[in-house]
Amino acid sequence: KNEVEQSPQNLTAQEGEFITINCSYSVGISALHWLQQHPGGGIVSLFMLSSGKKKHGRLIATINIQEKHSSLHITASHPRDSAVYICAVSAQGAQKLVFGQGTRLTINP
Amino acid sequence: ETGVTQTPRHLVMGMTNKKSLKCEQHLGHNAMYWYKQSAKKPLELMFVYSLEERVENNSVPSRFSPECPNSSHLFLHLHTLQPEDSALYLCASSQDFDYGYTFGSGTRLTVV
Repeated sequence: KNEVEQSPQNLTAQEGEFITINCSYSVGISALHWLQQHPGGGIVSLFMLSSGKKKHGRLIATINIQEKHSSLHITASHPRDSAVYICAVSAQGAQKLVFGQGTRLTINP
Repeated sequence: ETGVTQTPRHLVMGMTNKKSLKCEQHLGHNAMYWYKQSAKKPLELMFVYSLEERVENNSVPSRFSPECPNSSHLFLHLHTLQPEDSALYLCASSQDFDYGYTFGSGTRLTVV
């Protein structure tokens, strides 16, 4: 079992739908990251959080440290949101990120 | 551009070739990383450099040889690669391993 698990692995939705991607982890962490990878391969860091909730535009990320769970929400989804969304954690005492397998999101017009 | 620049963007090389991937950041970050992303697999950490010293080598074969001449530049030297080494190689930098993770656009490597 991976230390970071994401669900679902693939998600297809219609434009305008509310999207939720989940991430569960099994190690102690100092921070959790949500990343976005577009088809060209480049990765963009969306959020880094260690508690509570962060919002940026239509994106919202939450984390529950006790339950070792985080969610990424997209409101009013748009085809340009189509990408792979990756959850990664900075494990306590480790000098690296541990990645989930990613969630491939497709938003149809 | 994210602040981390990788060159080349695409590379095709034969199994007997020697080539190098380059990564450059001017974000003032003190840690740099090489990651490998193979098809349908999570990103795999290859190497971590902190303040120009290698702090982690994640069991990477010796045909991959990293070099960090200063805090802004990171290279990955490649020689006698195998077709299964074909993948997207991503460079990243961060501050103190936790903050400001920034990724480059990657080099898509094909070994023929």
